[in-house]
Amino acid sequence: GAGVSQSPRYKVAKRGQDVALRCDPISGHVSLFWYQQALGQGPEFLTYFQNEAQLDKSGLPSDRFFAERPEGSVSTLKIQRTQQEDSAVYLCASSFREAEAGELFFGEGSRLTVL
Amino acid sequence: EDKVVQSPLSLVVHEGDTVTLNCSYEVTNFRSLLWYKQEKKAPTFLFMLTSSGIEKKSGRLSSILDKKELFSILNITATQTGDSAIYLCAGGSYGGSQGNLIFGKGTKLSVKP
Repeated sequence: GAGVSQSPRYKVAKRGQDVALRCDPISGHVSLFWYQQALGQGPEFLTYFQNEAQLDKSGLPSDRFFAERPEGSVSTLKIQRTQQEDSAVYLCASSFREAEAGELFFGEGSRLTVL
Repeated sequence: EDKVVQSPLSLVVHEGDTVTLNCSYEVTNFRSLLWYKQEKKAPTFLFMLTSSGIEKKSGRLSSILDKKELFSILNITATQTGDSAIYLCAGGSYGGSQGNLIFGKGTKLSVKP
């Protein structure tokens, strides 16, 4: 696609529900990242994929968070038993090369609100 | 612990003013410093800086990196209302999750007509 596409754009969940957020990166991009951006904060790293391999998941805040990219393209971030503190915008980003701490292309984010 | 600190956190100026946004960083195995502009949507890439003292320019925006003092500035001249946004600074490192960028909290710039 022309850009990184994320869905849903907005999600409201009741506390305790499971949610799944989807990211469709730019075609051919090797690297894919998930970031969490709370209100008034900069994006914080969650996890990184190179093709289908999850090379770093050190930023996932708890074992309720799980991400996958089974075929090396589309990725899903799943949050189980959502809590209010999970409310944030979840940004997906991709880059062409094995990431070189360089330019990332971001999607518009999925805004999660947990009631 | 690695960190990126931006200042000011918010700034209000009038059209035509020149602004300077600041970013200091402490990043292990530092490789690059990036600036992004975030409106009510996806952050969009502005600059990537890897070498000290070399100014990068794009129209009315310019940026420079000082690797000795561990900071970068982003300048915007002749500001326009369309420059209103949050400007994010991020530090990138070698090794580990190589594309992992550590972001500052951003500077919210408001340009008044």
